[in-house]
Amino acid sequence: AQTVTQSQPEMSVQEAETVTLSCTYDTSENNYYLFWYKQPPSRQMILVIRQEAYKQQNATENRFSVNFQKAAKSFSLKISDSQLGDTAMYFCAFSPPQGAQKLVFGQGTRLTINP
Amino acid sequence: DAGVIQSPRHEVTEMGQEVTLRCKPISGHDYLFWYRQTMMRGLELLIYFNNNVPIDDSGMPEDRFSAKMPNASFSTLKIQPSEPRDSAVYFCASSPYGTGNYGYTFGSGTRLTVV
Repeated sequence: AQTVTQSQPEMSVQEAETVTLSCTYDTSENNYYLFWYKQPPSRQMILVIRQEAYKQQNATENRFSVNFQKAAKSFSLKISDSQLGDTAMYFCAFSPPQGAQKLVFGQGTRLTINP
Repeated sequence: DAGVIQSPRHEVTEMGQEVTLRCKPISGHDYLFWYRQTMMRGLELLIYFNNNVPIDDSGMPEDRFSAKMPNASFSTLKIQPSEPRDSAVYFCASSPYGTGNYGYTFGSGTRLTVV
């Protein structure tokens, strides 16, 4: 069974700093998808970024980028120029490639951006 | 597009009562998922549907839980009888092709409190 581990329960940085959230996963699959979701205090789950395992290039979305290390089964999220609105829970998630398999989520990292 | 719509946003009920949570997926999305979020267990998939047909209900905790999708635009999750340990946030999510290409679009969740 696939598992996703986020080893940092909480993190806190100052506004405008860069922060990196860690995620590791365990799978025997070769092709799969990885995601980062953001859950602000409003409770809404928002897709931040996605990565396809067969693509070596790291995904980027504006200030958000990932460092995908397939051999190490590592998928970290880097937030550059952090903003107060980035304060949220961040969840890493794994999906196998075929059909509507369930997303397996990590336990989350609570990120606080301080003014 | 209004996104995935869940109702009610909050529900407080007494132990033993029946609770019905509702979800309207995004039009054209073939897959619908019900997740439960708790502090102890994180995000757990309860059940998912493809074209209104339940595909995997292995995450449904016990017979007190049931889910239906009578048509492409409506799904319900029912708990009868409810117990305090059912207190959680329940999310509905939909996807056009399953998880691989797009991830899920989540609703805003229903916070259920059973007293």
